[in-house]
Amino acid sequence: AQKVTQAQTEISVVEKEDVTLDCVYETRDTTYYLFWYKQPPSGELVFLIRRNSFDEQNEISGRYSWNFQKSTSSFNFTITASQVVDSAVYFCALKPSGTYKYIFGTGTRLKVLA
Amino acid sequence: DVKVTQSSRYLVKRTGEKVFLECVQDMDHENMFWYRQDPGLGLRLIYFSYDVKMKEKGDIPEGYSVSREKKERFSLILESTSTNQTSMYLCASSPTKQGVGVQNTGELFFGEGSRLTVL
Repeated sequence: AQKVTQAQTEISVVEKEDVTLDCVYETRDTTYYLFWYKQPPSGELVFLIRRNSFDEQNEISGRYSWNFQKSTSSFNFTITASQVVDSAVYFCALKPSGTYKYIFGTGTRLKVLA
Repeated sequence: DVKVTQSSRYLVKRTGEKVFLECVQDMDHENMFWYRQDPGLGLRLIYFSYDVKMKEKGDIPEGYSVSREKKERFSLILESTSTNQTSMYLCASSPTKQGVGVQNTGELFFGEGSRLTVL
């Protein structure tokens, strides 16, 4: 079975706090891609990052960083020094290579309070 | 920039009415998708199209049909709406061809969504 679990339904933090959004996936495929998307209140999902299964290097982009660990089947997303503009629903997704099928998690709503 | 445009942001319909949701993308993407988004359920795929006039059922195709007569346009049709179709509908496109042995790494580009309420 292929599945993406985002156990945190909603997280609230105060501005400038660091926050980590968890993503755990299940797949039997050896080649796959993992994604994070952000959905602000406007509704449009925005692509944040793609990672393939052979690249376990962590990535940092400004205040955002991603930790991919195949050993625990996790692809966690950390926002450092959170800002109000980070308030959104964040989705983690899995896509096996060679297919069109994207498996989305149920999303984590992040509220950053001023 | 890629733009995916959905025809209606908000719709209110009565049970049994027909709904036609249109999606247009301007980057010549081969693949287009219709998802519905519900609280606690994430995004679920309704239909997928990988070329003009080609379509495949997703996870929840019942009660829906689609049309892709032109590459840039993918329409979702609800022939006779029911209250359980009240939802947010999201269109997406993807730039990479599908096929055996062809890697698809493309991220999805989404429209702003169409929120449908069926009374």
